[in-house]
Amino acid sequence: QSALTQPPSASGSPGQSVTISCTGTSSDVGGYNFVSWYQQHPGTAPKLMIYEVSKRPSGVPDRFSGSKSGNTASLTVSGLQAEDEADYYCSSYAGNNNNPVFGGGTKLTVL
Amino acid sequence: EVQLVESGGGLVQPGGSLRLSCAASGFTFSSHWMSWVRQAPGKGLEWVANIKQDGSEKHYVDSVKGRFTISRDDAKNSLYLQMNSLRAEDTAVYYCARAPRGTIPQPKIDYWGQGTLVTVSS
Repeated sequence: QSALTQPPSASGSPGQSVTISCTGTSSDVGGYNFVSWYQQHPGTAPKLMIYEVSKRPSGVPDRFSGSKSGNTASLTVSGLQAEDEADYYCSSYAGNNNNPVFGGGTKLTVL
Repeated sequence: EVQLVESGGGLVQPGGSLRLSCAASGFTFSSHWMSWVRQAPGKGLEWVANIKQDGSEKHYVDSVKGRFTISRDDAKNSLYLQMNSLRAEDTAVYYCARAPRGTIPQPKIDYWGQGTLVTVSS
């Protein structure tokens, strides 16, 4: 049940795009198309932004997109806005008899 | 409107016990996997436990196996987490979370409670 690996920080200027990576193994990220991404602002509960690698829940702007290649999933935020500044966590299904696992989180700063 | 309301958090001494409860409303509780996710102060998220719709499957993170028990009462639309032999490292905000329908514990939480703080300290 090892945590997925995310960069601790990422940044971009308003209007730019930024991509956050999430690296696991063939037992989690690489083995299943069940990767989710969550956004968390300070003092609030996380919010689901992406599920099943690239699907967006209703209400999530299409500036947020997800993808996966091998054991690494990615979240891209296009057209950065000030309100996108938050912590982002990836999570993956990890197979039978296991809880899903989270990444360590990435703090996104909008410069 | 989907609501998840946790209760039962507080200050407990190392080695002590607490029982967290989560009252769910606004959806068909019995149709969903339910989860407890925690977040230690200033740290990331950790999936603590999952329980299947009929309670037939339960999954725990290694660090709580043998100490924590997740359960549900579909008649009361309630989720529980019994926490025994608590340690300082269990100090965290504990979130009740609605996981998907379906047969596997996908990492897709679309509704979260407000969280309840558990502090383990002497």
